[in-house]
Amino acid sequence: DQQVKQNSPSLSVQEGRISILNCDYTNSMFDYFLWYKKYPAEGPTFLISISSIKDKNEDGRFTVFLNKSAKHLSLHIVPSQPGDSAVYFCAASAISGYALNFGKGTSLLVTP
Amino acid sequence: DGGITQSPKYLFRKEGQNVTLSCEQNLNHDAMYWYRQDPGQGLRLIYYSQIVNDFQKGDIAEGYSVSREKKESFPLTVTSAQKNPTAFYLCASSIDVPGQGGSTEAFFGQGTRLTVV
Repeated sequence: DQQVKQNSPSLSVQEGRISILNCDYTNSMFDYFLWYKKYPAEGPTFLISISSIKDKNEDGRFTVFLNKSAKHLSLHIVPSQPGDSAVYFCAASAISGYALNFGKGTSLLVTP
Repeated sequence: DGGITQSPKYLFRKEGQNVTLSCEQNLNHDAMYWYRQDPGQGLRLIYYSQIVNDFQKGDIAEGYSVSREKKESFPLTVTSAQKNPTAFYLCASSIDVPGQGGSTEAFFGQGTRLTVV
């Protein structure tokens, strides 16, 4: 039973434009959310996170928005760069949990 | 350099064989994890360990075994009982277990691709 859902398997964006990656979750106990970036045949690298007490967290070109009532979060990348092309995983943890729950990932392609 | 090292990067296993994947970290993290990634799938938790000499089953533990004799090491054995072992295996560690009073991110190794031949 997938508790973290990334419904878009892929996304293509032009360089310089905004990339918006979406994530939905079903477990209302989740209180911490993370985004990871992954290149083929490599381990995921941590990108940005947000606690449930916030609705926005910004780090350079990356901003994560959290809408608790809708159980939805999104990652905005602006401006998008070709080096951002990778698979992005959304993950969540619960205060009573023991590990991160991951979505299936969204493959982002940024074209020149 | 601090980090997580997984070895080997590629591993081939014959049907019916057990194989062990290595995971070592020098980050002084208490918690360690093993995830499995299949094409088009997210990361699924196999086993996790919060402290030395203790580990717990994750969502897909059947056919796998682990040990945690040292803080730095968390090897995963894929046994012959695992019916579909071909996958990309990822080891991770974190300062503490998410939710246990700390909301910390997990750091991942570079992965081991296991193929059954």
